[in-house]
Amino acid sequence: DTAVSQTPKYLVTQMGNDKSIKCEQNLGHDTMYWYKQDSKKFLKIMFSYNNKELIINETVPNRFSPKSPDKAHLNLHINSLELGDSAVYFCASSQPARPSYNEQFFGPGTRLTVL
Amino acid sequence: ELKVEQNPLFLSMQEGKNYTIYCNYSTTSDRLYWYRQDPGKSLESLFVLLSNGAVKQEGRLMASLDTKARLSTLHITAAVHDLSATYFCAVDNFNKFYFGSGTKLNVKP
Repeated sequence: DTAVSQTPKYLVTQMGNDKSIKCEQNLGHDTMYWYKQDSKKFLKIMFSYNNKELIINETVPNRFSPKSPDKAHLNLHINSLELGDSAVYFCASSQPARPSYNEQFFGPGTRLTVL
Repeated sequence: ELKVEQNPLFLSMQEGKNYTIYCNYSTTSDRLYWYRQDPGKSLESLFVLLSNGAVKQEGRLMASLDTKARLSTLHITAAVHDLSATYFCAVDNFNKFYFGSGTKLNVKP
């Protein structure tokens, strides 16, 4: 199936731990994103990569570090987890040119709970 | 910072009725997107609107874009229960996407 996949789907961890979320897309898109959706369902962009290069880096604590080993993968590593990091994290990909015009395709999400 | 405002935030309607969700944004953009999110699920793309006056329809949903008014609408015709979900609009500003707060739609049978 062509899609955006993320692992893990659920992540429950203690404050202070370090964790990673992986994302892969097989749509052939050049651009990938990380979003955070909070408990009120508000979606905010965190990072965007185009062809392995960071192009958008929002005001996110530097405990969050994205890594793109190739244009099909974008991982998110989080150090020293805090309670406020609890949220659903979505990966997405898009292709700026036609015919998609940057229509975003989202992964299934990773629900992170920090205890 | 670009702001995207949706209203209403909550919408409870009877099956068979029509309604419109509004999406206003604060800066010039030629690209606007609508997404649907079911509870506990991911976001699914509904419409991509690329220019002033663009109108797209899929089933009971119709989206339009007025770039001069910085306004997009999502019109629901003869709502059915299956349309119950949260609907988001999003604006593309130089590859940075800004999402509205979402409109939670509940269609009652």
